[in-house]
Amino acid sequence: KAGVTQTPRYLIKTRGQQVTLSCSPISGHRSVSWYQQTPGQGLQFLFEYFSETQRNKGNFPGRFSGRQFSNSRSEMNVSTLELGDSALYLCASSLVAEYNSPLHFGNGTRLTVT
Amino acid sequence: GQNIDQPTEMTATEGAIVQINCTYQTSGFNGLFWYQQHAGEAPTFLSYNVLDGLEEKGRFSSFLSRSKGYSYLLLKELQMKDSASYLCAVRAASTGFQKLVFGTGTRLLVSP
Repeated sequence: KAGVTQTPRYLIKTRGQQVTLSCSPISGHRSVSWYQQTPGQGLQFLFEYFSETQRNKGNFPGRFSGRQFSNSRSEMNVSTLELGDSALYLCASSLVAEYNSPLHFGNGTRLTVT
Repeated sequence: GQNIDQPTEMTATEGAIVQINCTYQTSGFNGLFWYQQHAGEAPTFLSYNVLDGLEEKGRFSSFLSRSKGYSYLLLKELQMKDSASYLCAVRAASTGFQKLVFGTGTRLLVSP
């Protein structure tokens, strides 16, 4: 079974631009979430989606947004990029039906803002 | 607030045993996860504890004490490939299904 797939793996953008990151969950997984990972803060929760609905949102500014499609694939968007947005963005999927089901992470998209 | 504490870095020798501690303070509790993350790779799931006690899975064991807000990950018969960051994460009761609160990770260096 293929794992969580994130594209692209690397991105370089300049301040003020916007970016869209893509995530394809494991087949059969309907719940998708996004995390930001930085050396100082560790993994920080961004959002959680299930059946195309955002169920939870972390403490990030409104410049960070996301959505989920009917095939469970998800995208996140960051507008008006700032230098501090440079990070590894991780997508995770899980089986909602099992409460102890772990999150399965993709390899992430490394975003560098210059 | 939510707070997860774990040591920043640990070193150990190949073949030895190492214990990585994690303490947490969260608004409610619905399970604790341990993940392993090699540099440049995705975090991979190691263990899940929701009840007090020890869960054993091969060379890896994880322990939980809910009353103390404490967990540890025990790695036995260390191998060089165990050099990685180990992340402790808690699912708080008041949060969503996939919302985990992570510690900043413990970097483990295994030397020959």
